[in-house]
Amino acid sequence: SAVISQKPSRDICQRGTSLTIQCQVDSQVTMMFWYRQQPGQSLTLIATANQGSEATYESGFVIDKFPISRPNLTFSTLTVSNLSPEDSSIYLCSVDTATAFFGQGTRLTVV
Amino acid sequence: AQSVSQHNHHVILSEAASLELGCNYSYGGTVNLFWYVQYPGQHLQLLLKYFSGDPLVKGIKGFEAEFIKSKFSFNLRKPSVQWSDTAEYFCAVTPLDGGYNKLIFGAGTRLAVHP
Repeated sequence: SAVISQKPSRDICQRGTSLTIQCQVDSQVTMMFWYRQQPGQSLTLIATANQGSEATYESGFVIDKFPISRPNLTFSTLTVSNLSPEDSSIYLCSVDTATAFFGQGTRLTVV
Repeated sequence: AQSVSQHNHHVILSEAASLELGCNYSYGGTVNLFWYVQYPGQHLQLLLKYFSGDPLVKGIKGFEAEFIKSKFSFNLRKPSVQWSDTAEYFCAVTPLDGGYNKLIFGAGTRLAVHP
């Protein structure tokens, strides 16, 4: 099973700034997924990131707000831009729905 | 659109009671099915998964789930819960046809086990 590392594990950010979250996998994977878990809520898929192509965003999520990079088969970043308190959530990276493991998540608090 | 329904949002049990958490999905094709657990303040952990074969799946910590295709259900069970099972439980489904290949989560069930 893949080992997924996310950085940072938590952060407190000011309104209007941006946070970039890194996801590193210990093996090459075709697809990487970014999820959001708002306080007290379930997980919602933000986008799917394939290496070498633009990320595919789910309804309600746009590239300007959540730009994603996928430079190689073991790494991806998610940026949450122009932060507002409503962006306070846990952001999780996942790989390969066959194994469906998640990173430990990044807990973002916007003040 | 595909969806996953977890009927019980909050469940309260005493230790040693039996547990069954319901999960139904709305998709007529082939699916992979998952149950996750999230302990207070901790990250998501995979409890068990079903891809094919025996519809009764055994997972970690004494949990099991049964896939009933005719009912589009994947209920989670444990014969005797412990206080340490207090957590939130999420059912998730991946529709395999149509190129979706993504996890769709239910709303979650909060389980509180009292000693």
